[in-house]
Formats: sequence, C-alpha cells, structure tokens
Amino acid sequence: GAGVSQSPSNKVTEKGKDVELRCDPISGHTALYWYRQSLGQGLEFLIYFQGNSAPDKSGLPSDRFSAERTGGSVSTLTIQRTQQEDSAVYLCASSSGGRGMDEQFFGPGTRLTVL
Amino acid sequence: GDSVTQMEGPVTLSEEAFLTINCTYTATGYPSLFWYVQYPGEGLQLLLKATKADDKGSNKGFEATYRKETTSFHLEKGSVQVSDSAVYFCAPNSNSGYALNFGKGTSLLVTP
Repeated sequence: GAGVSQSPSNKVTEKGKDVELRCDPISGHTALYWYRQSLGQGLEFLIYFQGNSAPDKSGLPSDRFSAERTGGSVSTLTIQRTQQEDSAVYLCASSSGGRGMDEQFFGPGTRLTVL
Repeated sequence: GDSVTQMEGPVTLSEEAFLTINCTYTATGYPSLFWYVQYPGEGLQLLLKATKADDKGSNKGFEATYRKETTSFHLEKGSVQVSDSAVYFCAPNSNSGYALNFGKGTSLLVTP
C-alpha cells in the first residue's frame, strides 16, 4: 500500500516569504508527527496530531510555525516569514495508534532552503 | 530533559566485521526504544524496537537489548555487509509517550 507522502520534495524560498509543506499519512493512521532534520540540530520533534487535534505542539520553534490537520488525514505545516535558520529537511511520520510502542512510518521529507 | 547519546562516527568497517553502535539515554520511566535506519537516498525506516526491559529487538541480523540498569540500547551485528552502509539513529520515545527523541545518528560505511 501507499506510504507517507510529502510535497513538495524540494522548496527554495526567499527570506521573509511564507511556505506550506504538505503531508499525506498512511490511510487509517490516526497519529501524525512532524520532525525537522538539520545538520546542526539533528532530528527534532515539532508537533504531534491525534486525529485533527494537536495535543503536543511543544517542539514548534517559534510562533512563525503552525500546523493543522483536516479530516483526520492530510496535514499542512506552515512557516511564516521564513528565516535562513529554517532551512532543513521537514519529515512527516504517521502511526496507527499514537502509542509510544507503535512504529512511526516516515515520508521522504521536504527539503526547504531559505535564501 | 531527555537526552540520547550515540557514537557519531563515521564508522568504517570491512565486510564481515562485527558492528557495535552504542546508545545510552536518559528518560523518566521506561520508554520504548527504537533503532531507525536511513539508507542513502531513502527515508527513515524502523530497523528494530524493544518495548520493555530485557526485551531483545532483532531484524536483518541486527540486535539490540533493552538494558534498564544501564539505560542503554546498543546495536550489534555479527557480520556486516556493504548493503548495511547507512545512518543509524537510536530513538527512545520521549516522556510524552509518543514523540521520538532521536540521537545524532551514526554513519556506517562498509567496504568490500
């Protein structure tokens, strides 16, 4: 079956512009996660969704970052007024139940470059 | 807060050598423990996991044992292959119970 998909695969933007990153989780997975992978910081958790609710947004680095999920499926991560330090690979993952022991399935990521 | 320490590498081994990648963590309680792998040009995928003390996770010849006493989850393989070249991430789940707390990753290169 289809895995987690993300779009776009690459995004180059100018400092100060807004960007939207999309994630399509595996069908039927109730839990969805966003992570960020950068050279300096490694892999960092950003936000967790259970259904359409986000009980944990603690990893979002600033109020320029927001995310939503609709229909218990697609999620969008929005970064406003992008900065160069936002350059990273943004990874989305989903799991069937959101329990700690559940495997998280990762998408291929969106590589964001802020010029 | 939670932290994960793993050897960063790069680690270079000859084919059929023995591999150990150390991982220790700090956490409140008893997290589930995971090793994820990222092959060149591919996405992160689960390699193995263990969900309680003394459990051994295994897959593709790799093994790791959940050691509560030493808060460790070292990855081992008895005979590595060129196809094992990848970046390996140790990842306990965080105190939240669902998010993964990744180590920095260990790059492994296996030469023929």
